[in-house]
Amino acid sequence: QSALTQPASVSGSPGQSVTISCTGTSRDDVSWYQQHPGEPPKLLIHTVTKRPSGVSNRFSGSKSGSTASLTISGLHFEDEADYFCASYTSSAIWIFGGGTKLTVL
Amino acid sequence: QVQLVQSGAEVKKPGASVRISCEASGFSFSSYYLHFVRQGPGQGLDWMGMISPSDGRTTYTQKFQGRVIMTSDTSTNTVYMELTSLRSEDTAIYYCARLDWELGGAFDIWGHGTLVTVS
Repeated sequence: QSALTQPASVSGSPGQSVTISCTGTSRDDVSWYQQHPGEPPKLLIHTVTKRPSGVSNRFSGSKSGSTASLTISGLHFEDEADYFCASYTSSAIWIFGGGTKLTVL
Repeated sequence: QVQLVQSGAEVKKPGASVRISCEASGFSFSSYYLHFVRQGPGQGLDWMGMISPSDGRTTYTQKFQGRVIMTSDTSTNTVYMELTSLRSEDTAIYYCARLDWELGGAFDIWGHGTLVTVS
């Protein structure tokens, strides 16, 4: 199965909202990760919409058909990072999206 | 503290092998599958495979079949990932990560990463 498809980049200004899409998710085992330079990924969203404890409620997930989305509301400068989606597949393997670079202008 | 601690950076020549360790602490080692994910320079995340620490069962993605071996040592709560026949394209940061099915199959704990340079 091919990698999930994400836009290469998105941008927004502080206080605005941005949405990152992830196409190719046939199941509800979708998770989202944030990665700052030089750091490992951090889990933001699991099971499409659920936030682990400690993750800001400015991050939310949704899914429509085969496209999952991550929305970041009230952008902060520290939200500038790479974002990856991931999904478990029917082939019993995990696949990741190519990643989206968020720039906060 | 729940954490995965990985071994240090490695520099290898083409054709050599590399073995990375990932020591778990703060949780029941045998209760979670541990996975390896790699990230090439400026690239995305690439899932390599997983191991069940309790019984050593493994699943590898086809891309690495025949070149990757994952093992576990329950006496030290450590899993190992060996990658053989290294080539320059294997230069990457290799992460181990814990999978939690209670979180819908998400990777909730990540090691700090091990940089492997093939040159």
